[in-house]
Amino acid sequence: KQEVTQIPAALSVPEGENLVLNCSFTDSAIYNLQWFRQDPGKGLTSLLLIQSSQREQTSGRLNASLDKSSGRSTLYIAASQPGDSATYLCAVYGNQFYFGTGTSLTVIP
Amino acid sequence: SQTIHQWPATLVQPVGSPLSLECTVEGTSNPNLYWYRQAAGRGLQLLFYSVGIGQISSEVPQNLSASRPQDRQFILSSKKLLLSDSGFYLCAWSLIGGIDTQYFGPGTRLTVL
Repeated sequence: KQEVTQIPAALSVPEGENLVLNCSFTDSAIYNLQWFRQDPGKGLTSLLLIQSSQREQTSGRLNASLDKSSGRSTLYIAASQPGDSATYLCAVYGNQFYFGTGTSLTVIP
Repeated sequence: SQTIHQWPATLVQPVGSPLSLECTVEGTSNPNLYWYRQAAGRGLQLLFYSVGIGQISSEVPQNLSASRPQDRQFILSSKKLLLSDSGFYLCAWSLIGGIDTQYFGPGTRLTVL
């Protein structure tokens, strides 16, 4: 069974800092990997989708990379802002979606 | 544009009572529909998914059930709630199975007392 792990579980950084969130998965037989953002008490919002044949995707200040062979993905956030504070979840799709437990990010003004 | 609705937003129910959570999608046809539960400190757990009307696949055996009476309507039910059913329930939709991204609803916070 696929297992998705996210490290760290929580992260607190000062505004303006660049940061990296990590996601690892045990089964490399995936179709894609996605990064989501979840605000407290809200649903998930898709940030980036990387197909298995791709290495990275970029959207604004966000850059996600995928190394399928090693079972790893990173989400890079440049010049963090207080509005980036949220929980970030990664999910992989093989025969179904598997989600990590998320990284809770706090950006301190 | 597509939108996804869930109701109610919050629900407090006693143990042993029935449950019905509803999810509807607008602006798309023949979506794949999903029910997830997010318990405190845990990742999202896929409960049910549906690829069409009346077609339900269960991922986790438990006292919950799902139905899809219409193309864009997905219902999560229980005849008798347990304390362990408390959590945040999320509905999502996607096209083309898991190849496309999933779009999530706002969620329902269920507390079983």
